[in-house]
Amino acid sequence: EPEVTQTPSHQVTQMGQEVILRCVPISNHLYFYWYRQILGQKVEFLVSFYNNEISEKSEIFDDQFSVERPDGSNFTLKIRSTKLEDSAMYFCASSPSPSGELFFGEGSRLTVL
Amino acid sequence: DAKTTQPTSMDCAEGRAANLPCNHSTISGNEYVYWYRQIHSQGPQYIIHGLKNNETNEMASLIITEDRKSSTLILPHATLRDTAVYYCIVRGPTSGTYKYIFGTGTRLKVLA
Repeated sequence: EPEVTQTPSHQVTQMGQEVILRCVPISNHLYFYWYRQILGQKVEFLVSFYNNEISEKSEIFDDQFSVERPDGSNFTLKIRSTKLEDSAMYFCASSPSPSGELFFGEGSRLTVL
Repeated sequence: DAKTTQPTSMDCAEGRAANLPCNHSTISGNEYVYWYRQIHSQGPQYIIHGLKNNETNEMASLIITEDRKSSTLILPHATLRDTAVYYCIVRGPTSGTYKYIFGTGTRLKVLA
């Protein structure tokens, strides 16, 4: 069964460092998303991406965040200068249509020290 | 904010049906009800969705009331592996967005 894959599974970084989280969505999907979940809290929407541009973003997704689809398969989330409060599980998801169900990856745990 | 209300937690005996309720009294005519679950800290997993008719798949059944203001997810024979947080989400064109807004969900514990 096709699945969304994310790397790394866990990354530890120092505050102020840049981090790139990578995702390989399901191959025929066109809509891509990043969500995050701070430990013990809700799953929060960050950004949606379609046709090589951001279609929607939340207030969490400030100038420190960016997304990119550098080639035909990867979808990345970059945090330019990490803060302690960026420590969370980051989930990538993809969907074949804007109204279809989301398929989530297993997540990348980011720990900022 | 989430447009749904769910109980915080529920217990269910292994092998019995788990019935998870959800209230969505402000749902609009073309908004769907989706159910996802999150096992431990894994990525949320799609279970089922529906508009107004009852739906069934290999994982669960979804019963939507006639006025569409509430629904129930039924896991017919719960197993220990069904222990998870279950999210009921309303989503559709009149939501103004297609993003999923996750609430706090129902923490289902299946007991041996």
